[in-house]
Amino acid sequence: EIVLTQSPATLSLSPGERATLSCRASQSVSSYLAWYQQKPGQAPRLLIYDASNRATGIPARFSGSGSGTDFTLTISSLEPEDFAVYYCQQRSNSITFGQGTRLEIK
Amino acid sequence: QVQLVQSGAEVKKPGASVKVSCKASGYTFTGYYMHWVRQAPGQGLEWMGRINPNSGGTNYAQKFQGRVTMTRDTSISTAYMELSRLRSDDTAVYYCARDQQLVPWGQGTLVTVSS
Repeated sequence: EIVLTQSPATLSLSPGERATLSCRASQSVSSYLAWYQQKPGQAPRLLIYDASNRATGIPARFSGSGSGTDFTLTISSLEPEDFAVYYCQQRSNSITFGQGTRLEIK
Repeated sequence: QVQLVQSGAEVKKPGASVKVSCKASGYTFTGYYMHWVRQAPGQGLEWMGRINPNSGGTNYAQKFQGRVTMTRDTSISTAYMELSRLRSDDTAVYYCARDQQLVPWGQGTLVTVSS
């Protein structure tokens, strides 16, 4: 099973700041990595697929990069609605998720 | 628009089974795999498996092999996930999600296992 490790576990930032979230895979997943946002009481929402492609309707402030084992989700300038939990997910070999990064207001 | 609507919350006793439904609309049901993901209270996301609605073929996560059964009824564009021999640690919200990109997701079904 491919293990995804997200860091940091919690990120405390202020609106307007830049957020950088990391996801590391235990073995190469090529570019088969996605990012999801989840708010309390809601289902996850796809943000980025295949490492760097924004899903339909996702604002341009969200961007993804990386390949192989190291991936990054960047939010260029945080809006109040961006504070949530973020998960990475690979589909290279079955499907697994990272444990999540909680993005909280500082 | 593409939409997945799941069945309502369930309360089950340990050892029982639960069957959750996921009704699809807005697209060709047989054209996309359907995945099932669960989330225990305060925890992360856990993939359970997927079904090919066209063929009925399934792939299950090893953890759930022997306890989970995924089926579909193409006449009503609905996928089902049945989990048997329930334990208290199966208490979770169960989601269906379409395709390998997992978009969209159903609204979730809370399954509570308690004696």
